[in-house]
Amino acid sequence: DQQVKQNSPSLSVQEGRISILNCDYTNSMFDYFLWYKKYPAEGPTFLISISSIKDKNEDGRFTVFLNKSAKHLSLHIVPSQPGDSAVYFCAASAAGGGADGLTFGKGTHLIIQP
Amino acid sequence: KAGVTQTPRYLIKTRGQQVTLSCSPISGHRSVSWYQQTPGQGLQFLFEYFSETQRNKGNFPGRFSGRQFSNSRSEMNVSTLELGDSALYLCASSLAAYPGNTIYFGEGSWLTVV
Repeated sequence: DQQVKQNSPSLSVQEGRISILNCDYTNSMFDYFLWYKKYPAEGPTFLISISSIKDKNEDGRFTVFLNKSAKHLSLHIVPSQPGDSAVYFCAASAAGGGADGLTFGKGTHLIIQP
Repeated sequence: KAGVTQTPRYLIKTRGQQVTLSCSPISGHRSVSWYQQTPGQGLQFLFEYFSETQRNKGNFPGRFSGRQFSNSRSEMNVSTLELGDSALYLCASSLAAYPGNTIYFGEGSWLTVV
């Protein structure tokens, strides 16, 4: 049973436009969410995170929105650039020591078209 | 500062053999966790160590084990290798083992079992 779901395996966006990547979760104990970017043959690179006490966090071109009632978060990239082409993973962790590790979605492959 | 370092980067083993992978966390980080990435299952949590103690373990068989040394460096071992163990093994470190601490990944060790 997937607790973190990224329902779009791939997404194609034109350069300069907005990329919106979505993530849904089922475990109401999750209270910290992260987005990672991964190139082939490399480890995931941390992008941005959000705590459940917030509904928005922004860092440069990246903004993460959290809707707790819908158990949904999204990552917005504006404007999209060719270097943004990668696989994006949504991850979540729960309170209580955080020793359960991160639970990851299966990723969305973002392709930025020139 | 140096990131998470994993060795070896690539290795090929035969079924039934055992393998040891090594991880040096970011300086000052005391929590080290391990993840397995496969095309079918995505990123899955193996285990997490903090101050030389295993704090939690994911849903993997006992053939998968690990340890952490006093300098926070960690090793993971897989015994009696199976074909299905072929995967990218990722080590990650964070300052401490509770939510709100960003986890930083190494580039991974690619294991192929033949």
